[in-house]
Amino acid sequence: QKEVEQNSGPLSVPEGAIASLNCTYSDRGSQSFFWYRQYSGKSPELIMSIYSNGDKEDGRFTAQLNKASQYVSLLIRDSQPSDSATYLCAVSRDQGGSYIPTFGRGTSLIVHP
Amino acid sequence: NAGVTQTPKFRILKIGQSMTLQCAQDMNHNYMYWYRQDPGMGLKLIYYSVGAGITDKGEVPNGYNVSRSTTEDFPLRLELAAPSQTSVYFCASRLAGADTQYFGPGTRLTVL
Repeated sequence: QKEVEQNSGPLSVPEGAIASLNCTYSDRGSQSFFWYRQYSGKSPELIMSIYSNGDKEDGRFTAQLNKASQYVSLLIRDSQPSDSATYLCAVSRDQGGSYIPTFGRGTSLIVHP
Repeated sequence: NAGVTQTPKFRILKIGQSMTLQCAQDMNHNYMYWYRQDPGMGLKLIYYSVGAGITDKGEVPNGYNVSRSTTEDFPLRLELAAPSQTSVYFCASRLAGADTQYFGPGTRLTVL
């Protein structure tokens, strides 16, 4: 059973702070790692993808991957109230060309003014 | 492009009733997926399809059926609805070779 674990939160940070969201996964063969943002009552949207060890930056977002530790994280710098949402971690491996992601249950982030 | 569309947005079913959740995409994506999301939980894959005429089971397929007769449409059929099927259902699509899954707005289903 492939598992993706996230702390459900809520994680509460003040506006302007760095929010750190963490995710661990059980399948050592995982190749692709994703962070989705989901606002309450809305559908998930992809915000970051990462495939190799290290950091990947996109604007205020940085994804970090450590395959040896089976750990992936998302840092949000200069957090804004509009970042308040649930962040879903997803991992997948290539299965004969099919991409079947496994999702964590998500971490709720609250950014307070 | 409308992207991924789902109908209906909301539905209440009685135990034992059946219904079809509709999903369509106009992006010519090969891959399509059905997920369910229970409160406070992540997405669980029900069924997926890699192209017209090809479908396969995901993690939680029991109580559901799918078909994919065209590239655009991927309906999900619930037979004999049960309270355990109360959930939000998301359809998604992806172009082969690309990372991004595009999600529809979801269908909120309640079985009483």
